[in-house]
Amino acid sequence: SQQGEEDPQALSIQEGENATMNCSYKTSINNLQWYRQNSGRGLVHLILIRSNEREKHSGRLRVTLDTSKKSSSLLITASRAADTASYFCATDAAGFGNEKLTFGTGTRLTIIP
Amino acid sequence: GAVVSQHPSWVICKSGTSVKIECRSLDFQATTMFWYRQFPKQSLMLMATSNEGSKATYEQGVEKDKFLINHASLTLSTLTVTSAHPEDSSFYICSARVSDRGKVRHGYTFGSGTRLTVV
Repeated sequence: SQQGEEDPQALSIQEGENATMNCSYKTSINNLQWYRQNSGRGLVHLILIRSNEREKHSGRLRVTLDTSKKSSSLLITASRAADTASYFCATDAAGFGNEKLTFGTGTRLTIIP
Repeated sequence: GAVVSQHPSWVICKSGTSVKIECRSLDFQATTMFWYRQFPKQSLMLMATSNEGSKATYEQGVEKDKFLINHASLTLSTLTVTSAHPEDSSFYICSARVSDRGKVRHGYTFGSGTRLTVV
């Protein structure tokens, strides 16, 4: 299976600024999810957006989904040093004959204090 | 709820030996478990999907005889790396789909990962 692509691959911003990461995928999906991974650790589920949703908010996170363009974006507002991590999008194609999560290439976010 | 416990969190083994990694679903029944591998600074690559009581489905390029998966119960899946070599050194993560009567309720939950170093 082909992975989705994320851009940028790496992003460094000043604390307090907003961070935007983009994800593109190739197949029809049931939902798209965003995860955070601190260095050498497990994954933390951030947010899930279903294919019939266009935008979703959770705290300082805002996710958009454009199924016509097969793309999603994750916006983190008012970034904090603790947001430094790798962020991955993952597509769930359950119901489309692909019963598994496929991860994007990831964005390494560094928040500069 | 929906916690997957993965052990060990890290292991160092000698080349040629076998290592077993366990993932247990603590408060739900995981009919399907996914096993991923992650090399440094890379994304998660799915290795195989295991279904309770049946043979695992391996992704293309993954050696089924080298990475043995057993899913004998609804709460336990294991991955055994046989005859490990230094190139098998990686971060291995399991994941279970949390469903409620066949409907995906919470998406997926992940174990905390196992860092395998083969020397």
